[in-house]
Amino acid sequence: AQKVTQAQTEISVVEKEDVTLDCVYETRDTTYYLFWYKQPPSGELVFLIRRNSFDEQNEISGRYSWNFQKSTSSFNFTITASQVVDSAVYFCALSRNGGSQGNLIFGKGTKLSVKP
Amino acid sequence: GAVVSQHPSWVICKSGTSVKIECRSLDFQATTMFWYRQFPKQSLMLMATSNEGSKATYEQGVEKDKFLINHASLTLSTLTVTSAHPEDSSFYICSAINLRGAGTFSGANVLTFGAGSRLTVL
Repeated sequence: AQKVTQAQTEISVVEKEDVTLDCVYETRDTTYYLFWYKQPPSGELVFLIRRNSFDEQNEISGRYSWNFQKSTSSFNFTITASQVVDSAVYFCALSRNGGSQGNLIFGKGTKLSVKP
Repeated sequence: GAVVSQHPSWVICKSGTSVKIECRSLDFQATTMFWYRQFPKQSLMLMATSNEGSKATYEQGVEKDKFLINHASLTLSTLTVTSAHPEDSSFYICSAINLRGAGTFSGANVLTFGAGSRLTVL
C-alpha cells in the first residue's frame, strides 16, 4: 500500500527559528515522485518542489531545503530563519501509479505557525 | 508557467440544488485533470481522474452519479455536485497536467492546482 505520513500535526515556532517538517512515505514502486505543497489560509495549493525517486540530491532554494533519503523513505523539509509569512499548512505528497505525476497521495499536513 | 483557473471560488447553495464547478487550464492543454476534496483541517483526497474525451475514473467510495465529471476539451473539466446536501460542503480542488509531453520537464508537464472552490450547502 502507498502511504504518506506527516507525524507532526502542528508546529509553532518563533520568527527566525529553523524548523523541519517530517515526511515518511511507503511505496512499492521503483519510480515515483515526491512533492511538497504549501497551503496558506486562502486555500490554494502552492507547489514547492518535485523530486523523482532517482534523484537523491538535496535541494536548496533560498530559505527552503529538502533532504531526500531513500534508505529511510523520508523527504523532510526545512525552513531556515522562519518568517511569519511561512505560516501555512504544508503537505507532502507521493505519486501513485509509478511514474505518473498527476495522481497524488497526500499526507495529512503539518500546520506551521510562525509567531513574531 | 502553467496556470489553472477554478470557478467559482466559493458558492453557497440550498440543499437539493446542483452546483457546477469549472476547472480550466489557461495556457496549456490538459490531457488529464484530477478532482480532489478537502474537508476542514484535513488532507486532500482524490475523487476522480478525468481524461479528455473519456469517462472519468472515480476513486472507491465516490458516487459517480452524485459527482458528475465532464472533460469535454483539453482545457476544461467540470464537476457537478448533484442534489447537494450539507455533508457535501467541502473545499474542491482541481489539478491539471499535460501527460503527452511526459519525460520532459516543461511547465505543463508538472501538475498544477487550481485555487479551489469552497462549497457550502445550507
